[in-house]
Amino acid sequence: GQNIDQPTEMTATEGAIVQINCTYQTSGFNGLFWYQQHAGEAPTFLSYNVLDGLEEKGRFSSFLSRSKGYSYLLLKELQMKDSASYLCAVTNSNYQLIWGAGTKLIIKP
Amino acid sequence: IAGITQAPTSQILAAGRRMTLRCTQDMRHNAMYWYRQDLGLGLRLIHYSNTAGTTGKGEVPDGYSVSRANTDDFPLTLASAVPSQTSVYFCASRGVEDTGELFFGEGSRLTVL
Repeated sequence: GQNIDQPTEMTATEGAIVQINCTYQTSGFNGLFWYQQHAGEAPTFLSYNVLDGLEEKGRFSSFLSRSKGYSYLLLKELQMKDSASYLCAVTNSNYQLIWGAGTKLIIKP
Repeated sequence: IAGITQAPTSQILAAGRRMTLRCTQDMRHNAMYWYRQDLGLGLRLIHYSNTAGTTGKGEVPDGYSVSRANTDDFPLTLASAVPSQTSVYFCASRGVEDTGELFFGEGSRLTVL
């Protein structure tokens, strides 16, 4: 089967750095997405990786290793507004999006 | 309209009733999707449409139907609602690229009693 694994919940401190991991097993690979979802709201796009390496966008960075079936989302200089769920999703060989259950990130002052 | 719009935002429904969730986008995206999101589970695909006039079944299609008469609209119908269909429903669209990002509507929270 196809599955995406990510931790259910993480806690971090305001101003710190947190890394949210995502491992995947899918039938083929055509890219990996990270989305942010605040409680009661729709998911919003954060990043897209299709080649190995690090993609940096402001305080957020996303890393991909296709050989390991692994990605992480790195959030720096955490702010209270970063409290949200972070969803990992992979596009497989049929261009279907497979979603992880999401990681709820709690930021403490 | 800017982006993708869903209606209603929230609805309480008696079991056995018919319900249509509306979804409209003004981005001229070819692909549209309906997902349900339940606590502890990832987004699960109900139905999709790659272009106007075509639809396909996703991971959890039973009890739901869709139509795609034109590019902009993609309604989701529950013919006879059951309590297990209580969920938050998200409509999404995607540009012409298969690997493009999804744009989501604000969601429709449906409670079936």
